[in-house]
Amino acid sequence: DAGVIQSPRHEVTEMGQEVTLRCKPISGHNSLFWYRQTMMRGLELLIYFNNNVPIDDSGMPEDRFSAKMPNASFSTLKIQPSEPRDSAVYFCASSYGQTNSPLHFGNGTRLTVT
Amino acid sequence: GQQLNQSPQSMFIQEGEDVSMNCTSSSIFNTWLWYKQDPGEGPVLLIALYKAGELTSNGRLTAQFGITRKDSFLNISASIPSDVGIYFCAGLSNTGNQFYFGTGTSLTVIP
Repeated sequence: DAGVIQSPRHEVTEMGQEVTLRCKPISGHNSLFWYRQTMMRGLELLIYFNNNVPIDDSGMPEDRFSAKMPNASFSTLKIQPSEPRDSAVYFCASSYGQTNSPLHFGNGTRLTVT
Repeated sequence: GQQLNQSPQSMFIQEGEDVSMNCTSSSIFNTWLWYKQDPGEGPVLLIALYKAGELTSNGRLTAQFGITRKDSFLNISASIPSDVGIYFCAGLSNTGNQFYFGTGTSLTVIP
């Protein structure tokens, strides 16, 4: 079975550029999560969707970050403009069912902003 | 947000030894998850726990949901080199709507 698919795996960009990260959740899953992982802060939840609707975006660091889920099989996380402090690994995860259902993670996008 | 303390931060053990790590929270949780992350990959679910006192095994791995509902433990028996990685706990509180992750335990197995 295909797991959560993220693209690109690596992204290197210059400060000020727009970055778009993509995620395809596991088919049939109804919740989708975007996490950011850094050495200093570990895994932090940025935003999550339930049935394609954003439920909690309180973890989004600032207005430069935005996320969309136009349908059940696709989501994007956009950073515009990007800054060096945005460098991190961004993970997408999906789950099925209730709030306490386990999360299934993709392999992440390693973002480097120079 | 919730505070999850995971310990130890790192472990260096000989192949064949048993491993224990734990996670504690400042509030009561109703779900605990344990994940393993290999370099360059995403966390992979190992075990999920849903009831206080629950003890669940997955091969050589055993995890327990603490009676106080504020802690959880993961044990690995007879470690092998492929157990190397970072292990994370994640917990969901009674009133929460998101999982919070521990800071991870880095495991190194010396052949």
